[in-house]
Amino acid sequence: KAGVTQTPRYLIKTRGQQVTLSCSPISGHRSVSWYQQTPGQGLQFLFEYFSETQRNKGNFPGRFSGRQFSNSRSEMNVSTLELGDSALYLCASSIGQGVNEQFFGPGTRLTVL
Amino acid sequence: KQEVTQIPAALSVPEGENLVLNCSFTDSAIYNLQWFRQDPGKGLTSLLLIQSSQREQTSGRLNASLDKSSGRSTLYIAASQPGDSATYLCAVEGQGGSEKLVFGKGTKLTVNP
Repeated sequence: KAGVTQTPRYLIKTRGQQVTLSCSPISGHRSVSWYQQTPGQGLQFLFEYFSETQRNKGNFPGRFSGRQFSNSRSEMNVSTLELGDSALYLCASSIGQGVNEQFFGPGTRLTVL
Repeated sequence: KQEVTQIPAALSVPEGENLVLNCSFTDSAIYNLQWFRQDPGKGLTSLLLIQSSQREQTSGRLNASLDKSSGRSTLYIAASQPGDSATYLCAVEGQGGSEKLVFGKGTKLTVNP
């Protein structure tokens, strides 16, 4: 069974640009969650999508948005990039109901210059 | 708001030693607690998930316990090996609040040959 895949693996952008990251969950999983990982703040929850609907949202500004498609693939978008957005962005998939073991992808390393 | 703390932040042990990693959380209203390992620059690998009704889970040389009432979990690693060197993270899925998983900052483990 294929794991969670994320594309691209690495991105370099400049301040003010926008970026779109993609996540394909494990087959059969309907929930996708996104996390930001930085050395200072650790892992912080961004949002969760289940069956194309945002089910939970963390404490991030509106520049961070996401969506989920009918095949459960998810994208997250960051507009007007800031230097502080440089981080490892991880997505996790789970069945979405019952015992919700989370399975993480390899992450996208975003560098904002 | 749920807070998760992991002690110690770093641990260095000789190969073959048994060791315990600690995790504490402030709000006992959780669905489950999950332990992960993370290798440098990589995503998270799920190690063990303990449901709120369970006391412990075992997988190979790993044993995780949960005391929900006191807000504590431990990860026991038997007969440590250099390949166990990684950062170990615990995360709780809460029954309230908007965050999917709340993570500790991790314990960086180094097992010396």
